[in-house]
Amino acid sequence: EVQLVESGGGLVKPGGSLRLSCAASEFTFSSYSMNWVRQAPGKGLEWVSSISSSSSYIYYADSVKGRFTISRDNAKNSLYLQMNSLRAEDTAEYYCARASGYGALDYWGQGTLVTVSS
Amino acid sequence: QSALTQPASVSGSPGQSITISCTGTSSDIGGYNYVSWYQQHPGKAPKLMIYDVSDRPSGVSNRFSGSKSGNTASLTISGLQAEDEADYYCSSYTSSSTLFGGGTKLTVL
Repeated sequence: EVQLVESGGGLVKPGGSLRLSCAASEFTFSSYSMNWVRQAPGKGLEWVSSISSSSSYIYYADSVKGRFTISRDNAKNSLYLQMNSLRAEDTAEYYCARASGYGALDYWGQGTLVTVSS
Repeated sequence: QSALTQPASVSGSPGQSITISCTGTSSDIGGYNYVSWYQQHPGKAPKLMIYDVSDRPSGVSNRFSGSKSGNTASLTISGLQAEDEADYYCSSYTSSSTLFGGGTKLTVL
């Protein structure tokens, strides 16, 4: 069974930084594009960023461009999201998700909560 | 990167059918046959229900179906069951992003 396990969330002050990780297992990680999707408390889903299988193609939502950096280590079956200059509006559950085809996110992790507050 | 437009809520009785619409533009829904639908129960991660407009992943009930006309996609759930009560999100691939709809809360009366 495909597994995606996020970690690294927590409480951080505005302007601070946090690095999220997503450990993948039970599939050939290096063959799939991966995504980060977030959900603010009581709100809808918001796509954050995507990275192709070989890291050749990377995209960001306008809301995080210039502040967040997505990366992956195929040797470690891991996906990362470096979040800098965090704002209160970045408070959300962050999910990593596997992409199957064009835009279809077929497996999701359980999420890790990021809270930005002073 | 504007969100896709979905109704905030829909409802139906057990056994009935409901349809949730998702409206975008020619740059997203209208430009690609890559619309997906997700189901999310409270406190749980989203689950892929429909991809590529109308395809169902293995294990998803055939009571769920998808379609698209122009810039609007639709999710239809037939034979409503209590377990279908959840939030539903549409999404569309674009050349540089993935857009989500605002979500629709389905209530089974």
